[in-house]
Amino acid sequence: KAGVTQTPRYLIKTRGQQVTLSCSPISGHRSVSWYQQTPGQGLQFLFEYFSETQRNKGNFPGRFSGRQFSNSRSEMNVSTLELGDSALYLCASGLGSEQFFGPGTRLTVL
Amino acid sequence: EDQVTQSPEALRLQEGESSSLNCSYTVSGLRGLFWYRQDPGKGPEFLFTLYSAGEEKEKERLKATLTKKESFLHITAPKPEDSATYLCAVQAEGSARQLTFGSGTQLTVLP
Repeated sequence: KAGVTQTPRYLIKTRGQQVTLSCSPISGHRSVSWYQQTPGQGLQFLFEYFSETQRNKGNFPGRFSGRQFSNSRSEMNVSTLELGDSALYLCASGLGSEQFFGPGTRLTVL
Repeated sequence: EDQVTQSPEALRLQEGESSSLNCSYTVSGLRGLFWYRQDPGKGPEFLFTLYSAGEEKEKERLKATLTKKESFLHITAPKPEDSATYLCAVQAEGSARQLTFGSGTQLTVLP
């Protein structure tokens, strides 16, 4: 069974630009969550989607948004990028309470 | 606010030298406690879920245990390939699938 896939794997942007990251969950999983991982803050929850509805949102500014499509694939968008947005963005898909992570997208903001 | 504290921050072991990693937590109603392993540049790899105090789970050289305030990840006779960062996370009741993570323990096993 294929795991969680994330595209692109690496991305370089400049301040002020916007970026869209994509996540395809494990087949049959309807829940997708997004996390930001930085050396200083560790892994922090961004938001969770289930059946195209946002169920929960972490403590991040409104520049961070997401959506989920009818096939459970999800995208997250970050607008007006700041230097501090440089991080590994991880997507996780869930069945029951357990979640399985993808390899992440490494975003660098210059 | 849910909190997870892991100790030690880093641990160096000789191959075959058993030890334990600690995860202390405070949560408003525990739905589950999770252990993950993360290798550099990769996403976390799921290891265990524990749901109630007294529960234990094993996988190869790893054994996870849970009390009402903390969890331990015991590593028996570790090998160099066990070197990784081990992350602990909690899921609170009513939080959907949101995980609150600790900062991790970086384990190095020397041959």
